Amino acid sequence: NAGVMQNPRHLVRRRGQEARLRCSPMKGHSHVYWYRQLPEEGLKFMVYLQKENIIDESGMPKERFSAEFPKEGPSILRIQQVVRGDSAAYFCASSPQGSQPQHFGDGTRLSIL
Amino acid sequence: GIQVEQSPPDLILQEGANSTLRCNFSDSVNNLQWFHQNPWGQLINLFYIPSGTKQNGRLSATTVATERYSLLYISSSQTTDSGVYFCAVGTDRGSTLGRLYFGRGTQLTVWP
Repeated sequence: NAGVMQNPRHLVRRRGQEARLRCSPMKGHSHVYWYRQLPEEGLKFMVYLQKENIIDESGMPKERFSAEFPKEGPSILRIQQVVRGDSAAYFCASSPQGSQPQHFGDGTRLSIL
Repeated sequence: GIQVEQSPPDLILQEGANSTLRCNFSDSVNNLQWFHQNPWGQLINLFYIPSGTKQNGRLSATTVATERYSLLYISSSQTTDSGVYFCAVGTDRGSTLGRLYFGRGTQLTVWP
């Protein structure tokens, strides 16, 4: 069974550009979570989605950030007009149901020039 | 939200030594997971252990849910055990359903 797949592994953007991070959950998992790890910090929850629904986005900045998990295809975390402070590792996790163990992808390392 | 405290923050060991990492949390939980973040940044699932005791090779974990703590034991440590160990907890109640709260981690360095 393939695990949680994230791409790209590394992404470099200039200030003001858009970043799109993709996550394909494990087979049979319909719950997706995004977390952010800033340098020298632990992981912080951003958003929780099910297919076509945002369940909890309270951890996501109100401006510039959005997430979706369409009926078909991967979940997308989108960051518009990136700034230096967006540089971080972004992890996606999936589970078959809420409150079940979450399985993490390898992360996307976003660097802002 | 749920507060998660891990101790010690840093641990330096010689190969072959044993260690115990602790995770305290501030509320009752339905989900508790231990992860190892290796030097390449990958998060490896070690245990899903909301209560009880589990063992996997040289690693074992115990969670005492009523007292709100969990312990991760590493025996006969190897250099490949180096990295950051995270404890994360979650609940199935209310508005925080689904999310995991992470501790700040324990940075483990094992010398040959």
